[in-house]
Amino acid sequence: QQQVKQSPQSLIVQKGGISIINCAYENTAFDYFPWYQQFPGKGPALLIAIRPDVSEKKEGRFTISFNKSAKQFSLHIMDSQPGDSATYFCAASAITGTASKLTFGTGTRLQVTL
Amino acid sequence: ETGVTQSPTHLIKTRGQQVTLRCSSQSGHNTVSWYQQALGQGPQFIFQYYREEENGRGNFPPRFSGLQFPNYSSELNVNALELDDSALYLCASSLVSAGTQYFGPGTRLTVL
Repeated sequence: QQQVKQSPQSLIVQKGGISIINCAYENTAFDYFPWYQQFPGKGPALLIAIRPDVSEKKEGRFTISFNKSAKQFSLHIMDSQPGDSATYFCAASAITGTASKLTFGTGTRLQVTL
Repeated sequence: ETGVTQSPTHLIKTRGQQVTLRCSSQSGHNTVSWYQQALGQGPQFIFQYYREEENGRGNFPPRFSGLQFPNYSSELNVNALELDDSALYLCASSLVSAGTQYFGPGTRLTVL
């Protein structure tokens, strides 16, 4: 059962454009939604994260929009740069006692062209 | 502040063998989680360790086991390796009950 659905699978954006990646979740117990960036052969690096009591969070060129009623959240990358070319994963977690596990989407491969 | 480190970087094993992967958590973090990432897929949660005990487990068979040491470092052991175990194994550290997890560079395991 895929609890976090991510789209699109791949994305090509011109330099300076806006990249938008969408995720939807099913488990209403999720209470933390991070986005990770991963380059080939490297581990995922935390980009930005949001909790469901906030509808939007912005850090530099990266913005998360969160719609609790629709159970959807998205990542917007403004002024996309070639260095942003990587795979992006959305994730969600629910804390149960002392345990917390991340459930990841399937990833979006972003290519930013010149 | 030291980030999450993992060793070895790459490993090649044959089917049926056993493997041990190691992880040192980020300074100040007391919880370690392990994930398996198959090629082209998102990471899948294996298990989490806190206070040297397993603290949550994903849908992985018992031949996947782990340890956490008093200094919060951790090991992932996989017995009776199968071809499908070929993947990038990621370690992540965090504070207990915190959503934010920080990942290491991973260990690439190839099973022949």
